[in-house]
Amino acid sequence: DTEVTQTPKHLVMGMTNKKSLKCEQHMGHRAMYWYKQKAKKPPELMFVYSYEKLSINESVPSRFSPECPNSSLLNLHLHALQPEDSALYLCASSQVGGTLTGELFFGEGSRLTVL
Amino acid sequence: QQQVKQSPQSLIVQKGGISIINCAYENTAFDYFPWYQQFPGKGPALLIAIRPDVSEKKEGRFTISFNKSAKQFSLHIMDSQPGDSATYFCAAIALMNRDDKIIFGKGTRLHILP
Repeated sequence: DTEVTQTPKHLVMGMTNKKSLKCEQHMGHRAMYWYKQKAKKPPELMFVYSYEKLSINESVPSRFSPECPNSSLLNLHLHALQPEDSALYLCASSQVGGTLTGELFFGEGSRLTVL
Repeated sequence: QQQVKQSPQSLIVQKGGISIINCAYENTAFDYFPWYQQFPGKGPALLIAIRPDVSEKKEGRFTISFNKSAKQFSLHIMDSQPGDSATYFCAAIALMNRDDKIIFGKGTRLHILP
């Protein structure tokens, strides 16, 4: 079982909706990530939080808004999304500089469909 | 510009055979090379990783071969089993950058015939 828990597993939303994806880990990791994965593609980095501070924003549109309330939780707030935003959204965590071990611990993802 | 080139895109292997996936990179700053395995409907999971000061690393049926001079590395799955059917991503990291970025290859969809 993955130690990174993502909710919901599936989400369908209209383009005018506001929704949030949630991620939780209890491994003591201080780096947390949001990735977007389209079918048959590798994960694409969206955001990195290090010690609860946003350290990387890969030029993601403002309709995606990340939040890290504490060291165990990571949220992704969604607003006014487009159909092309439909994808699997993966949360991951690691030790800081977290790539020190090269190991990201991924959740199972939230499958988002935008109508 | 793709920084890690992975091939083949898809691979079909008979049960018991050897599956081989190849990756190449250009950036000499990369100094850590993990492989991730992803089953349908699941997130990727670290399978095995290697540093460039080692030419080979073996964990069970999985072996990474690394050629630093050619800037190439490969994953070998010995005695391939139907349960190995998944998508495999090679990746590269520049640990010295400490930017928490992992560069993924495009992935290989492996299917093991029963």
